[in-house]
Parts: sequence; C-alpha cells; structure tokens
Amino acid sequence: DTAVSQTPKYLVTQMGNDKSIKCEQNLGHDTMYWYKQDSKKFLKIMFSYNNKELIINETVPNRFSPKSPDKAHLNLHINSLELGDSAVYFCASSQARANTEAFFGQGTRLTVV
Amino acid sequence: KQEVTQIPAALSVPEGENLVLNCSFTDSAIYNLQWFRQDPGKGLTSLLLIQSSQREQTSGRLNASLDKSSGRSTLYIAASQPGDSATYLCAVRREGTYKYIFGTGTRLKVLA
Repeated sequence: DTAVSQTPKYLVTQMGNDKSIKCEQNLGHDTMYWYKQDSKKFLKIMFSYNNKELIINETVPNRFSPKSPDKAHLNLHINSLELGDSAVYFCASSQARANTEAFFGQGTRLTVV
Repeated sequence: KQEVTQIPAALSVPEGENLVLNCSFTDSAIYNLQWFRQDPGKGLTSLLLIQSSQREQTSGRLNASLDKSSGRSTLYIAASQPGDSATYLCAVRREGTYKYIFGTGTRLKVLA
C-alpha cells in the first residue's frame, strides 16, 4: 500500500497550458511538501503545508499554486507552463514533531514542449 | 543559511567493498538528518534517520553516524552489492522549521 502517491507519473504538455499534479498520503502525517528536482538532480523545497495551512513558500513563481483540501492531500496547480518548469516534482509528508522521517512519492516527470 | 554538501559526487567500486559516503552541513542547529537512496527514474527511499541527540543508526549493512558539532554525517555501506547502485542523498531538518534541506547527492555504482 503506497504511503505517498502522486498522479500522474509522467506529464507532457505544451507551453502556456495549465496542469495539476495530485498527491495523497495515507500515513496520517500533518505536514506535506512539494519539492522540485532539476536536471542536475538537486532537490529544492517549493512549498510546505501543516494541517492544511501554508507554512513554507520558497519564492516560487505565483504561477504555481498549491492547494490542500485536507491533511492527506496536497495538490499542485501550475498555470501558463514554461519550458523551465520541466523537472521532476516530488511530494513528501512527515509529522511536524522533530523526530520523524519524511516520506516521498515516486515523482512526477513534467516535460514542457 | 543551511548548505548541505556531499562528497564524493560519484563513486565506482567493485562488489564486496566497504565504502563511506560523506555529508556535511554548515549550520549545526538541526533536529535530525536523514539518508535516502534514489534509483534512476524513481522516488526517494528513506534509509536511516538520525536524531540530533544520536551518534549513529544501523540498518542491515548500513550504518550512519552523526557529528552534529562538526556538521558531518557519514553513511557506511558494508560488503557493497550491485543492487546498492543508486544516488544517495542526505537531508537535514533545521531546528524551528519544517524544511528538509538536501545535499547534492553521491552517485554510487557497484560493479559486479
């Protein structure tokens, strides 16, 4: 049973389109994240939500809008896609308290053409 | 600002060797440090979590140590196998934040 699941796994779309990536966790965690992995494989945090509240926004363009309908879901909507948005996007979850592991989804490979 | 560096960036070893991967971080005010592996085209798999108060953690052939004061962690892999080939990432969670900051990764290849 997958702990953190993202859909879709692959997304190919044209510049200017709007797309969404969905994420769900079944671990009962109260904190969820979106990370972006660039072509050099470096992972950088984009957003974090704790109990459905936005707590981290790492100067991501406002074309990216996360939405957390409940603690188990954190979706990422991207407007007006650009070539530079091509990357792998990872969803993750953890508990807010300090002594817990973070768990990651399998990633969504977004290709903008 | 927390920066996390991993050395070496890439490593190729023959099967059976014991090896050490290094992770260093600039700000010692951390809650914990977590080691992950990432297989090509796949997600991140958690390997070990070390709390800031701990010195080491072990899981099977893996042993991770933490020296918080000097800003260093090592991941020791005993008797390496071709199946250990992957990219290994360390991540630190800063005190007072929810954020996990990742290192640059070590790409490991174990040759049969």
